[in-house]
Amino acid sequence: DTEVTQTPKHLVMGMTNKKSLKCEQHMGHRAMYWYKQKAKKPPELMFVYSYEKLSINESVPSRFSPECPNSSLLNLHLHALQPEDSALYLCASSPLTSGSSYNEQFFGPGTRLTVL
Amino acid sequence: AQSVAQPEDQVNVAEGNPLTVKCTYSVSGNPYLFWYVQYPNRGLQFLLKYITGDNLVKGSYGFEAEFNKSQTSFHLKKPSALVSDSALYFCAVIRSSASKIIFGSGTRLSIRP
Repeated sequence: DTEVTQTPKHLVMGMTNKKSLKCEQHMGHRAMYWYKQKAKKPPELMFVYSYEKLSINESVPSRFSPECPNSSLLNLHLHALQPEDSALYLCASSPLTSGSSYNEQFFGPGTRLTVL
Repeated sequence: AQSVAQPEDQVNVAEGNPLTVKCTYSVSGNPYLFWYVQYPNRGLQFLLKYITGDNLVKGSYGFEAEFNKSQTSFHLKKPSALVSDSALYFCAVIRSSASKIIFGSGTRLSIRP
């Protein structure tokens, strides 16, 4: 299995809702990432998990809350979002090995989020 | 600070012609360079990477890229373009001692039949 899956594909939520995005990989990768991508723009890194521990938080607002329950799963919990948070949310994973900064990342298809 | 620049927002090429998508980088230390492709409403797909060694790197779908240290460039090339190559292409860089990938602004490649 060489893919990263993300659910749901599309999500529409109000500003008072609580929802979660899910990401799963079974490639044995121990680094997992959340990115936010606006239309026609490059992905912006939000969070990095290494060995199920949060290693990078790119000053993301607290209305986004990541969780890594095990080595295969990554969640992004959403609460009280703003319309400007509407975007494509991408999950990615990569191996963690010695000198691992040159390992390519494998991306999921993304969740298209619309905040009303 | 590390950065990567893609000077062209869009590149238009006729099918069958060679294509080049440009990328220049700025990083202290040894760079690790990547190309990714994104089709509409999809995630990014890895094409190729340069770590060390041969300056010409071959990747997926017939793409290749040439690392030029003196010009700090890593241009993506393909000898004969296909309509199916039409997509958004991102160059990316990681500093050898870092773990965070930095993407360029992206270049939209359009191949006309």
